[in-house]
Amino acid sequence: IAGITQAPTSQILAAGRRMTLRCTQDMRHNAMYWYRQDLGLGLRLIHYSNTAGTTGKGEVPDGYSVSRANTDDFPLTLASAVPSQTSVYFCASTPGGGSYNEQFFGPGTRLTVL
Amino acid sequence: GEDVEQSLFLSVREGDSSVINCTYTDSSSTYLYWYKQEPGAGLQLLTYIFSNMDMKQDQRLTVLLNKKDKHLSLRIADTQTGDSAIYFCAESLNTGGFKTIFGAGTRLFVKA
Repeated sequence: IAGITQAPTSQILAAGRRMTLRCTQDMRHNAMYWYRQDLGLGLRLIHYSNTAGTTGKGEVPDGYSVSRANTDDFPLTLASAVPSQTSVYFCASTPGGGSYNEQFFGPGTRLTVL
Repeated sequence: GEDVEQSLFLSVREGDSSVINCTYTDSSSTYLYWYKQEPGAGLQLLTYIFSNMDMKQDQRLTVLLNKKDKHLSLRIADTQTGDSAIYFCAESLNTGGFKTIFGAGTRLFVKA
């Protein structure tokens, strides 16, 4: 089934630990995104990638890094997790290249940092 | 600046119409969208409207766009308990590339 997968589904992490959230899409979309969702704040863009080999910073990039080695994968890394990074993380993708920009979302990763 | 605002909660009775409102600030919007998020899931596109349209109807859904006031609304006719979800308003902006700005989401409660 075409779409976006994220792993893990949920994770409890000790503060200071390193964590990588995985995201894979099989739709050959050019653009991919990482958002965090917090109650009352909606979705906030962390990092994005318009095409393989390029990445950019979103609204709340501090404490996070991404890479885009190929079209399908867009991992998000927390180098040293802090409790304020407790959130639900969504990966999304779009075909790119036009003004119509429907985003396709993964099921999310619920991360708790203690 | 770029901002999309929506009220956080709406409660309706089953069978009534729901109207979810959204305001946005950037006049360079090309498309405006409504996404639906069910519990424990990611967002899914519900409907969209091109910025030169005033209205779009799709079965029980009606989208109204007032460009002068930068106001977007989503009306759900005959609201059902299965419509309980969070609804996000979003706009695509042409800023060299295209980016999408999401509102904070409106949680719709449908009472049986």
